[in-house]
Amino acid sequence: DVVMTQTPVSLSLAIGQPASISCKSSQSLLGTSGKTFLNWILQRPGQSPKRLIYQVSKLYSEVPDRFSGSGSETEFTLKISRVEAEDLGVYYCWQGTHFPYTFGAGTKLELK
Amino acid sequence: EVQLVETGGSLVQPGKSLKLTCATSGFTFSNAWMHWVRQSPEKQLEWVAQIKAKSNNYATYYAESVKGRFTISRDDSKSSVYLQMNSLKEEDTAIYYCTLGPFDYWGQGVMVTVSS
Repeated sequence: DVVMTQTPVSLSLAIGQPASISCKSSQSLLGTSGKTFLNWILQRPGQSPKRLIYQVSKLYSEVPDRFSGSGSETEFTLKISRVEAEDLGVYYCWQGTHFPYTFGAGTKLELK
Repeated sequence: EVQLVETGGSLVQPGKSLKLTCATSGFTFSNAWMHWVRQSPEKQLEWVAQIKAKSNNYATYYAESVKGRFTISRDDSKSSVYLQMNSLKEEDTAIYYCTLGPFDYWGQGVMVTVSS
């Protein structure tokens, strides 16, 4: 199975600060279709996960544009330009290129 | 509005069985590929099973950790997906989520605890 490694484990930031989360995969996530199925979800406290970004950098329509995703092959990054209170929670990357789908262990974003 | 509502979670003894149900609304269920994902007490997410649509012959796929013990099924007339869990082990203890897609929309989750 593809192992997804996220860093840092936790992040303590003040409102308005930028955030950056790394996700590395044990194999290239570039598929035979030419697409890279690396995605991000956010689980706010006490809630189920919600979709954020798909195929590395594409934001779902409901996601604010302070979020961005980048990367290729095995190294990916989620960035928040300016953290807001509603961004707090655990961020997970997951890959859909190789069977089975696998998730990172999560990065907890907390308020400083 | 997409809604996914899981039911059926419980405390069960090792070796016993349990069936989870996910009732859905707000989208064309018959065309949808549905998944079950679980979250361990340590918060690790694990994909469990997938079922495709009728047009894909209802093909099913399983994680190795549950293959041969769990069965995913669906009833398009009820817009529902199920997870039959047999020979449960303590390591199956988790919150079980039903998802649309892979992971576009998630239900609220249901707790399954396997303990003697």
